Amino acid sequence: DTAVSQTPKYLVTQMGNDKSIKCEQNLGHDTMYWYKQDSKKFLKIMFSYNNKELIINETVPNRFSPKSPDKAHLNLHINSLELGDSAVYFCASSDRGGNAQGQYFGPGTRLTVT
Amino acid sequence: EDQVTQSPEALRLQEGESSSLNCSYTVSGLRGLFWYRQDPGKGPEFLFTLYSAGEEKEKERLKATLTKKESFLHITAPKPEDSATYLCAVQAVGGSQGNLIFGKGTKLSVKP
Repeated sequence: DTAVSQTPKYLVTQMGNDKSIKCEQNLGHDTMYWYKQDSKKFLKIMFSYNNKELIINETVPNRFSPKSPDKAHLNLHINSLELGDSAVYFCASSDRGGNAQGQYFGPGTRLTVT
Repeated sequence: EDQVTQSPEALRLQEGESSSLNCSYTVSGLRGLFWYRQDPGKGPEFLFTLYSAGEEKEKERLKATLTKKESFLHITAPKPEDSATYLCAVQAVGGSQGNLIFGKGTKLSVKP
């Protein structure tokens, strides 16, 4: 049973395109996150949602828009893709609003923009 | 500014050679410190949460400890399968709940 799943695992696209990444968790957690891991493997939070409400919105270009249809799903839509968007994107989830709780990560989506 | 620094960046050990990884942190107040393991091409795997100085957690060959300024991940008699990147993260009091600040990780290689 996969706890946090993401699709697709790999995404190769051209500059200027729009793409989406989907995430689902079956842990019953109430908070979900999107992280970006750059080429130097540095992991940085982008967004978090608690029960479908946006909690964290770090300094991320407006081209990135998260959407949470329910507390088990958090999708990431990216408009007008740029070369610098190439990275691995991880979805994660945690319980209790994320208050000092361990976060459980998905397998990642490797986005390559050409 | 809240900050996490991990050292060394890379560590090579022989199988059975025990060692420690360091995570130094600077936060206004600590809500929790987290250790993760990340294998190549995979997402970080949650290992431990530590909340207060003096606390210790153990899992198999790994033991995490916490002081007011740093945390150590002790690896006792490591095996090749312990090879991975180990990430440390903190959540600060006053920060948004769930906002983890990660260090850059220590890449551990254990040779047979």
